[in-house]
Amino acid sequence: AAGVIQSPRHLIKEKRETATLKCYPIPRHDTVYWYQQGPGQDPQFLISFYEKMQSDKGSIPDRFSAQQFSDYHSELNMSSLELGDSALYFCASSLGGEKLFFGSGTQLSVL
Amino acid sequence: AQKVTQAQTEISVVEKEDVTLDCVYETRDTTYYLFWYKQPPSGELVFLIRRNSFDEQNEISGRYSWNFQKSTSSFNFTITASQVVDSAVYFCALVDTGTASKLTFGTGTRLQVTL
Repeated sequence: AAGVIQSPRHLIKEKRETATLKCYPIPRHDTVYWYQQGPGQDPQFLISFYEKMQSDKGSIPDRFSAQQFSDYHSELNMSSLELGDSALYFCASSLGGEKLFFGSGTQLSVL
Repeated sequence: AQKVTQAQTEISVVEKEDVTLDCVYETRDTTYYLFWYKQPPSGELVFLIRRNSFDEQNEISGRYSWNFQKSTSSFNFTITASQVVDSAVYFCALVDTGTASKLTFGTGTRLQVTL
């Protein structure tokens, strides 16, 4: 069965650079979520989209933005990267807000 | 506000032992869902179970079982006859109808199963 696809799997950036993470949800799922998991931490909710419209917002810095496109894929854009942005970024999708299925994550390292 | 507490930071057991991971939650909502996810060393989050607040039946799936007790706000997870492949971080999570489906995770319990 198709799962949530995230790319890239690993990303290394320098401080103050910009990063773009991509997420392809499970087909026919209507909601996409982004989570950030710092080292040794639990995942923290960043933002979600329902049918391409932003539906909820969590602890997402102003330097971050996200959108969901007409083909339902989503991108998380992070600018002016800081060392503290180094984390595992998960995308998840669901249908009707039921079970959330997570992608394998993008490991972002900011040097 | 909702909160999930996993008091056990790390558990170490020998293969074939049974192990129970504790989860206690807080929410003001009467309708909510509880989840368990497994995060193996490879990093992905693997869905294990979802339980809604109206269904207090315990569930067994192979070596896994879950004990949901609304009276004590607990949703504990037991692995019977643990195996080395069970080694992972296990997260309990909660979503209520007031939070638009976003999950609140506990801090996770790292389970180490050794030979």
